[in-house]
Amino acid sequence: GAVVSQHPSWVICKSGTSVKIECRSLDFQATTMFWYRQFPKQSLMLMATSNEGSKATYEQGVEKDKFLINHASLTLSTLTVTSAHPEDSSFYICSAPSGYSYNEQFFGPGTRLTVL
Amino acid sequence: QKEVEQDPGPLSVPEGAIVSLNCTYSNSAFQYFMWYRQYSRKGPELLMYTYSSGNKEDGRFTAQVDKSSKYISLFIRDSQPSDSATYLCAMSATGRRALTFGSGTRLQVQP
Repeated sequence: GAVVSQHPSWVICKSGTSVKIECRSLDFQATTMFWYRQFPKQSLMLMATSNEGSKATYEQGVEKDKFLINHASLTLSTLTVTSAHPEDSSFYICSAPSGYSYNEQFFGPGTRLTVL
Repeated sequence: QKEVEQDPGPLSVPEGAIVSLNCTYSNSAFQYFMWYRQYSRKGPELLMYTYSSGNKEDGRFTAQVDKSSKYISLFIRDSQPSDSATYLCAMSATGRRALTFGSGTRLQVQP
């Protein structure tokens, strides 16, 4: 299957700082990537759709000024959590369609963010 | 009511048992159905992908979709301790690329 990587896998930061998370498709190109967050023992909730060359599409209730998304190339999308607070602590996961079907998505390993 | 309902478990079975995992959904527009396996603190891994109704088999895994009942299942034969994980169902509609996930069922296979 297609491989998606994320960096970093784990980050701890102080409240008020910004954190950037990278999502890369390693062996395929992705014009679209998706960003999810997952709280402990809960399912994945879609935050936004990242589109290469255009603005991201955010789900209802997700603050676009707080969660900045940039899809810089066909293999890279970044999520920046700005002015992070403890309630932003979560597991952030990206996914990308394989190219054969938009509905067949492959996920990165996730980034665990802890805001102190 | 959630669009996708999934029993959170935990489901505990002995090694070698047949495991049945299920999801129900309410949105009749869903056409694509997936099962993911997620180990603790890892990203989900795609196990099965099916379109519309029917069965699909891959090794020890069988996925079934019954659109008339809005019900999907994943069967795991000869379960192994390494199958212990959380299993997430996911689905999407034609024209909408994002996935809607169930809450996940935690499976424990006892050696």
